Parts: sequence; C-alpha cells; structure tokens
Amino acid sequence: GAVVSQHPSRVICKSGTSVKIECRSLDFQATTMFWYRQFPKQSLMLMATSNEGSKATYEQGVEKDKFLINHASLTLSTLTVTSAHPEDSSFYICSARALLAGGEQFFGPGTRLTVL
Amino acid sequence: GIQVEQSPPDLILQEGANSTLRCNFSDSVNNLQWFHQNPWGQLINLFYIPSGTKQNGRLSATTVATERYSLLYISSSQTTDSGVYFCAVVRDTGRRALTFGSGTRLQVQP
Repeated sequence: GAVVSQHPSRVICKSGTSVKIECRSLDFQATTMFWYRQFPKQSLMLMATSNEGSKATYEQGVEKDKFLINHASLTLSTLTVTSAHPEDSSFYICSARALLAGGEQFFGPGTRLTVL
Repeated sequence: GIQVEQSPPDLILQEGANSTLRCNFSDSVNNLQWFHQNPWGQLINLFYIPSGTKQNGRLSATTVATERYSLLYISSSQTTDSGVYFCAVVRDTGRRALTFGSGTRLQVQP
C-alpha cells in the first residue's frame, strides 16, 4: 500500500508557541490531503481538507487562523498550530487520497501534541 | 452529514475465537474502508470495500451497499488483533473526506 509519513511523531511545547506538523505522501501524488484530530478514547474528527495549490477547507468549529494549512506540492501538506494552548493537546493524523487506488485513503502515523 | 454506527462498542475474545464487527451507514457511499488502529495510534488499512466481499488471510469483509451496512470478520483471533477497529465512509456526493464510526475496541485474551 501507499505510504504516508508524518513529522514529528511527538512534540511537547509551552503554551503560546507554534508547532508545525508535516505530512508527506512518499510513493504517490496526492492532490488532496486531510487533517484529523483524535482525543483519547474517541474517534477521528475531520479538521480540514487540504488542496494542492489552493486554500484549505475547514470544518465547522475549526479556527482557520489557529490551524494554518499549507499544501505547497503534490506530496507535502503542513499543519501549523499557532499560539498553542493546553486544550490543543491531541493526536493529529493526516491522510492522503491516492487517485490511482480508486480513492482509497492512507494515513500517516500521527503526531501527539502536548501543550504545557 | 452521514451517520456511521459501529457495533459492538467493546468486545473481549479468547484467543482462537471468531468475531463479526458491524458498520451501518445512513446514506449511499462510494468509499468504505476498514482500519485497525494499533496501540501506537497508527491506522492500518484493512479493506477498501465500497461493495462486495474481500478476504485477506484471517480477515474478510462484506459490504452490502444497497442495505447500507458492512461486516468485518475476524477468524482464529490472536492477541495481536487487539486494538480499535474503525469503519469509515465517503458519501456519494459532497466532500471526499472519510467520516468515521465510533469504533469497536477489541481485546483478545491469551
């Protein structure tokens, strides 16, 4: 199957700082990537859809100025959590849609963010 | 939006037992995937199955799109099968992101 990487896998930061998370599709091109958030013992919730070369589409209730998304190439999308606060602590997971696989989506290993 | 319900929410099995996990969805879909989330959080793709039946080793899945449900079968379960199993779908129309069910937490005991 297709491989999606995420970096970093784990980050601890102080309240008020910004954190950037990278999501890469390693062996396929992805015009669309997705960012999800998962709180402990819960399911994945979509935050935003990242489209190569255009603005991201955010889900209702997700602040676009707080969660900045950039999809500069067909293999890279970044999520920046700006002015992070303890309530932003969560598990962030990206996915990429492989067109050649009929729309199947593949997920990165996730980034665990802890804001102190 | 589309609703995805999974059952049972929790399941405890003895090693070697078989099980069936169910996923019901409220609208027509053009994508349905089953995932296993391991203890480190990684989502492992099990099946991409918008319709029909597929098998991969001890696992198999069936989706009956006209009746809006999918089943995941696990045979001869092993302790390494433990974790959370998610069903996720994409509606026929609208956005292409997956909508996840709440998951089935499986614990296989030796």
